[in-house]
Amino acid sequence: KAGVTQTPRYLIKTRGQQVTLSCSPISGHRSVSWYQQTPGQGLQFLFEYFSETQRNKGNFPGRFSGRQFSNSRSEMNVSTLELGDSALYLCASSPTGTSGASRDTQYFGPGTRLTVL
Amino acid sequence: GESVGLHLPTLSVQEGDNSIINCAYSNSASDYFIWYKQESGKGPQFIIDIRSNMDKRQGQRVTVLLNKTVKHLSLQIAATQPGDSAVYFCAENMKGGYNKLIFGAGTRLAVHP
Repeated sequence: KAGVTQTPRYLIKTRGQQVTLSCSPISGHRSVSWYQQTPGQGLQFLFEYFSETQRNKGNFPGRFSGRQFSNSRSEMNVSTLELGDSALYLCASSPTGTSGASRDTQYFGPGTRLTVL
Repeated sequence: GESVGLHLPTLSVQEGDNSIINCAYSNSASDYFIWYKQESGKGPQFIIDIRSNMDKRQGQRVTVLLNKTVKHLSLQIAATQPGDSAVYFCAENMKGGYNKLIFGAGTRLAVHP
């Protein structure tokens, strides 16, 4: 089974621009979570989607948003980029039962390295 | 690849020794715990998990111990190999928190031949 894939792998943007990152979960996985990783703050939860619905959101400003499509693929968007948004953005997928109530092991993709100049 | 964390605590061990990586978790309501390994330039890789109704779980060369009384988690790696060199993160998932993981700061494991 193919793992979680993320595109693009590397991205360079300038302040004020916006960016969209994409994540394709493992086949059959219905939950997708996004995390931001920086040397200073470590790994921080952004949001989680299941069946096209955001179930949980971390403490990030409204400039960070996401969505999930019917095929479980997910995108996250960051608008009005700031220097501090430079980070590795990680996507993780998990099976999650049909009820959506259980929690499962999350499997991570390789990440998208975003650099804001 | 780029470093995961520039000022992480480092555990240095000799090849073949056993390694113990410790983690203090933050939330008493957490009931699911996971250890991840992250190599430079890669995403975190699942190693082993444990639910709060257990205090020990074994995998291949790895053992996780959970002490809920003091909110402590440890990862033991037997016969450490150079390929085990990486940053190790513990993560906790709170009951009712869906798939929101709270990660520890990480520990860098350096294995010397």
